Amino acid sequence: DQQVKQNSPSLSVQEGRISILNCDYTNSMFDYFLWYKKYPAEGPTFLISISSIKDKNEDGRFTVFLNKSAKHLSLHIVPSQPGDSAVYFCAASGGETSGSRLTFGEGTQLTVNP
Amino acid sequence: GAVVSQHPSRVICKSGTSVKIECRSLDFQATTMFWYRQFPKQSLMLMATSNEGSKATYEQGVEKDKFLINHASLTLSTLTVTSAHPEDSSFYICSAPAAGGSEKLFFGSGTQLSVL
Repeated sequence: DQQVKQNSPSLSVQEGRISILNCDYTNSMFDYFLWYKKYPAEGPTFLISISSIKDKNEDGRFTVFLNKSAKHLSLHIVPSQPGDSAVYFCAASGGETSGSRLTFGEGTQLTVNP
Repeated sequence: GAVVSQHPSRVICKSGTSVKIECRSLDFQATTMFWYRQFPKQSLMLMATSNEGSKATYEQGVEKDKFLINHASLTLSTLTVTSAHPEDSSFYICSAPAAGGSEKLFFGSGTQLSVL
């Protein structure tokens, strides 16, 4: 039972344009959401997070939007840069996966073309 | 920020041998560490939660006798894959939560295990 889903395995955008990565979840107990970025043969690095009491969190070029009624969140990167090319994982916690036990999505490979 | 060191980064071994992977929190103490496994093009799947001074908690379907976890100190957790087989070939990653019970995890750099 995949409780966190990233339906797009890959996304390709031009440098300078906006990248939008999407994530859906099914568990209504999730109350904290995170995005991680992963390069090949490396561990994921934390990017940005959002609590369920908010609907938007912004950090520089990265903004995460949360739509609780739709159980959907998205990560916007603008402007996109070639160095942003990586796999992006959406993760969630709360309810049975409380504390630091995170449930991850399958990941989306972002490629930013120069 | 907090740093988690994982060693080795890559292991190639023969079927039937045991492989030990170390995970260290370098500048903070971690009473809990998490071990994940990632197969190609799949998500990170939590295998077990390592608890300092007590037994690890394994996720459903993970063989505790095959994946031995020891959390001997507040800065070190080890995962030993016993009698490794080709199907155990995967990318193993450890992580530790940031201080203060944060939901954020800091990850090691991962270990690519290839069993011949």
